[in-house]
Amino acid sequence: GAVVSQHPSWVICKSGTSVKIECRSLDFQATTMFWYRQFPKQSLMLMATSNEGSKATYEQGVEKDKFLINHASLTLSTLTVTSAHPEDSSFYICSAKGQFEAFFGQGTRLTVV
Amino acid sequence: AQSVTQLDSQVPVFEEAPVELRCNYSSSVSVYLFWYVQYPNQGLQLLLKYLSGSTLVESINGFEAEFNKSQTSFHLRKPSVHISDTAEYFCAVSRKETSGSRLTFGEGTQLTVNP
Repeated sequence: GAVVSQHPSWVICKSGTSVKIECRSLDFQATTMFWYRQFPKQSLMLMATSNEGSKATYEQGVEKDKFLINHASLTLSTLTVTSAHPEDSSFYICSAKGQFEAFFGQGTRLTVV
Repeated sequence: AQSVTQLDSQVPVFEEAPVELRCNYSSSVSVYLFWYVQYPNQGLQLLLKYLSGSTLVESINGFEAEFNKSQTSFHLRKPSVHISDTAEYFCAVSRKETSGSRLTFGEGTQLTVNP
């Protein structure tokens, strides 16, 4: 199956700083990628849909100015958590649209201290 | 809109016992159905999918799921589980007309296999 690589796998940052998470499709071109957030013991919550060359579409309740998404190429989408706060601590997962299914990255554990 | 209900949040079983993880969905349009598995601190891996054709689909590691249109169900089964099957399992659907697009997930079922 297609491979999606997400980096970093974990990151610790100080409150008020920004953190960038990368999501790469390694062996295929992903015109559409998705960013999810997952709280402990819960399901995935879709944050936004990222389309190559255009603005991301955010789900209701997700602050677009806080969670900046850039999809500048067919193989890379980035999520930047700006001015991070402890409540932003979570597990973030990206996925890339395939022909029928989605392919997921390994996830990024963000801890804001 | 679509919705997915996983009827059991936790399923503890003993090694080599059979297991069934239940999934029901609701949708006004045709959907594709998926089971994903998530190990601790990792992303999701596709376990199996139903797109069309035979209603029984199988994975390479012994899991199978059966699509039942009349009951709108897609239950996951394995006749004999291993310790290594311990993980979180998510049932998901996507609209056929937007295949490969956004998924609607169930709440997940934690399968714990005990020795």
